[in-house]
Amino acid sequence: GEDVEQSLFLSVREGDSSVINCTYTDSSSTYLYWYKQEPGAGLQLLTYIFSNMDMKQDQRLTVLLNKKDKHLSLRIADTQTGDSAIYFCAEIVKTSYDKVIFGPGTSLSVIP
Amino acid sequence: NAGVMQNPRHLVRRRGQEARLRCSPMKGHSHVYWYRQLPEEGLKFMVYLQKENIIDESGMPKERFSAEFPKEGPSILRIQQVVRGDSAAYFCASSSGTREHEQFFGPGTRLTVL
Repeated sequence: GEDVEQSLFLSVREGDSSVINCTYTDSSSTYLYWYKQEPGAGLQLLTYIFSNMDMKQDQRLTVLLNKKDKHLSLRIADTQTGDSAIYFCAEIVKTSYDKVIFGPGTSLSVIP
Repeated sequence: NAGVMQNPRHLVRRRGQEARLRCSPMKGHSHVYWYRQLPEEGLKFMVYLQKENIIDESGMPKERFSAEFPKEGPSILRIQQVVRGDSAAYFCASSSGTREHEQFFGPGTRLTVL
């Protein structure tokens, strides 16, 4: 199937680290993405990782990729209240074109 | 350097009316995607279009829904004879031909059917 799975909710205290997990289905996916959706807004591309990488770091964000287990995670260090949002994981599935499949989204709540 | 634009941002329709949602992709982008997000649910793919062509409409209901992306002008998602279950946020995304899977999203149109 084409289901990308994520836990639906995560709650952390301000200043702690957040880890959002995702499992995907297509082992040939060339890119894996993380999108952020703030309340009332569209999705914003947050970061992505090539499938030949294990890790990518970008300021407070760390993406880890375990291809064997088809597991992707997003770690947000020093989580702030402004990080409260829905985070979507996405993979590429080869059809007649490179189709992006989104997960259901993880709603992150940051407690002051 | 405008991003993806959608209008209207909010649309209210009565049951049985038609809803027209517009999407102007980013400059230089010729690929458009429509998604629907129901309250408290994830993002559901509806349709993928390139200029004047529908590439993948596998996520679009067979009845009442149609989409187009003409040579000139914005992409239009049209919902005929709306029902309450059509109430949702509809997002458009665009991409270029060289990085077609890197999608840039618009702010969405929130459709409310009374």
